Amino acid sequence: GPKVLQIPSHQIIDMGQMVTLNCDPVSNHLYFYWYKQILGQQMEFLVNFYNGKVMEKSKLFKDQFSVERPDGSYFTLKIQPTALEDSAVYFCASSWGANTGQLYFGEGSKLTVL
Amino acid sequence: AQKVTQTQTSISVMEKTTVTMDCVYETQDSSYFLFWYKQTASGEIVFLIRQDSYKKENATVGHYSLNFQKPKSSIGLIITATQIEDSAVYFCAMREEGGSALGRLHFGAGTQLIVIP
Repeated sequence: GPKVLQIPSHQIIDMGQMVTLNCDPVSNHLYFYWYKQILGQQMEFLVNFYNGKVMEKSKLFKDQFSVERPDGSYFTLKIQPTALEDSAVYFCASSWGANTGQLYFGEGSKLTVL
Repeated sequence: AQKVTQTQTSISVMEKTTVTMDCVYETQDSSYFLFWYKQTASGEIVFLIRQDSYKKENATVGHYSLNFQKPKSSIGLIITATQIEDSAVYFCAMREEGGSALGRLHFGAGTQLIVIP
């Protein structure tokens, strides 16, 4: 089936540093999402993005977070500066429509903040 | 309040038997979409099956089927003839059709399925 690619699969950084997580969504999809999963817990919505703009964000999407997709390249999640509680697996997802079809998820980027 | 609730934390079944995983949801929307995803040991999240709220017929895909009970806000996942490779964590999720939702999925806490040979 359609694949969402995420880079890196794992990143270890020191608290306070910046990190960028990259996502290559399914090619004809228009809506992009980031979800956060702390070990052993459910996935929680962070943000969705459409037509170059953030459409909706949750309380988990702190001011230190930002997303963009410059020139149709990777859809990125940037955290600057990182905090210990940002340690989690971040899943990117994409869908063709907002209310049609299912989301396709990447394999996740595990972020460890020391 | 949680929008999607999975009360079963873990289920163990013998291979080749049938298992049902429960899920209840809350929504004010008259139209919504329900999904089941599987997360494998590697962390990969795989879409399994969906049910659109306006459809009365229970969805079926391969050896996955749904027990959609709209009055009870319930969407159970049934796996028949379970296989070892079905061992995973299963997440129920809901997407509301409301204008502000824009595709946001609400996930349950997940049910770990262990299939015993």
